[in-house]
This record gives sequence, C-alpha cells and structure tokens, in this order.
Amino acid sequence: QVQLQESGPGLVKPSETLSLTCTVSGGSISSYYWSWIRQPPGKGLEWIGYIYYSGSTNYNPSLKSRVTISVDTSKNQFSLKLSSVTAADTAVYYCARKRSGYYDSSGYYYFDYWGQGTLVTVSS
Amino acid sequence: AIRMTQSPSSLSASTGDRVTITCRASQGISSYLAWYQQKPGKAPKLLIYAASTLQSGVPSRFSGSGSGTDFTLTISCLQSEDFATYYCQQYYSYPTFGQGTKVEIK
Repeated sequence: QVQLQESGPGLVKPSETLSLTCTVSGGSISSYYWSWIRQPPGKGLEWIGYIYYSGSTNYNPSLKSRVTISVDTSKNQFSLKLSSVTAADTAVYYCARKRSGYYDSSGYYYFDYWGQGTLVTVSS
Repeated sequence: AIRMTQSPSSLSASTGDRVTITCRASQGISSYLAWYQQKPGKAPKLLIYAASTLQSGVPSRFSGSGSGTDFTLTISCLQSEDFATYYCQQYYSYPTFGQGTKVEIK
C-alpha cells in the first residue's frame, strides 16, 4: 500500500519561501507523476503542480512564477518550494499521486493516493 | 481556466436516502471528471474517475455519470459514514476542483 507523508515547517514568515517534502513509502516513486494540492482553511482544493519521476514538471498558471517542484528518486521524495508567500498561501498542503491516460474510449485524470496533509501558516 | 460549478453547495439528508450531486464544467471535458469524498481533518478520498468508473474498494452505492459538461454523483442509499463534503475535479489543460457539496444529517 502506497503511503505519502508531508513534512516541513508549519509557520513561514511573509515574503519568505515555503518548503515542504513528501516521502513516498510502500512503492517506488518511479514511473508515476506526483502532485501538490492545497486547501485554505474552510475552502476548496487548488492544484499547485506535478512532477514526473524523470523531473519534468507542470504548474498551475496562477502560481507558476512562484513554484518549484523537484524530485529525489534516491530518497523516494519530492519537494515543493513556494516563494514570496503571503497570508493567502496559508493552507493545508497535500501531496498526492496523479494517474492519467486513456482507456476503453475514456480519458482519465485523478489523484488516487494522498498524504494526510500539513497545515502551513504564513504569519510574522 | 475551466470552472467547475457544483450544486447544491449543501444538502440535508437522512440515512437511506438517495442523494444526487451535480457538477457542471464551463466547457466540454469529455470524461475527464473525478469525484472525491472529504471528511473533516482528512485528505480527500477518490471515489469515481473517468466520470463513471468506481475506484477499487469504494462501495457500489456510489455511482457517477455524465460526459462533456454535465456530470452527477449519486449515492443510492445514504449511510452514516457518507456524511462528508464531496468535490468534483476536472482535467482539461490543468486540473481544477468544484467548490464542494456538504452532505449533512437531516
């Protein structure tokens, strides 16, 4: 059973860089896409971006200028950096595995395994 | 960005009821639609993908339908453990989620 676990500081100061790591256990990080998704308190879900194990990335256009996602296959980990944070970046941050493709005349794109989430608060 | 509009935003229902949640996309997304269940303090759980395919291990009382712009999630016989918030998620150029539907106890 694949398990994901987020780790990193729970408090970040405004204008600084938020850094989180997701450790994947119970399976290899190879051959899959891995995403970051966030949820402000009491609000809905926002996709941040994904990385393939080979290192290729894709980001949400609204966050693209501030986001970097990287992968370390030797540690079975991938990481998120979000720069120049403000209070609006306060959220629970989830890491998740993305699956996508085309099967039996139907396209699919979904997130099947999720970490438990970690709350990051932006405050001085 | 494609906007996903869920309705209703909340509903009250009783155990045993049939519940239907609707998700409408601002433009056609073929079958690239997934549904998730989220309970307070927990990560979302995948229920349905490709609009109508039940994720392994999810009870058969959950079903999904639709294609193009209009999609539905149906819970055929609501159980106590189904009281939660439900989100739809689309993929076109990049994934976005609906605003959520909270299913509460009547």
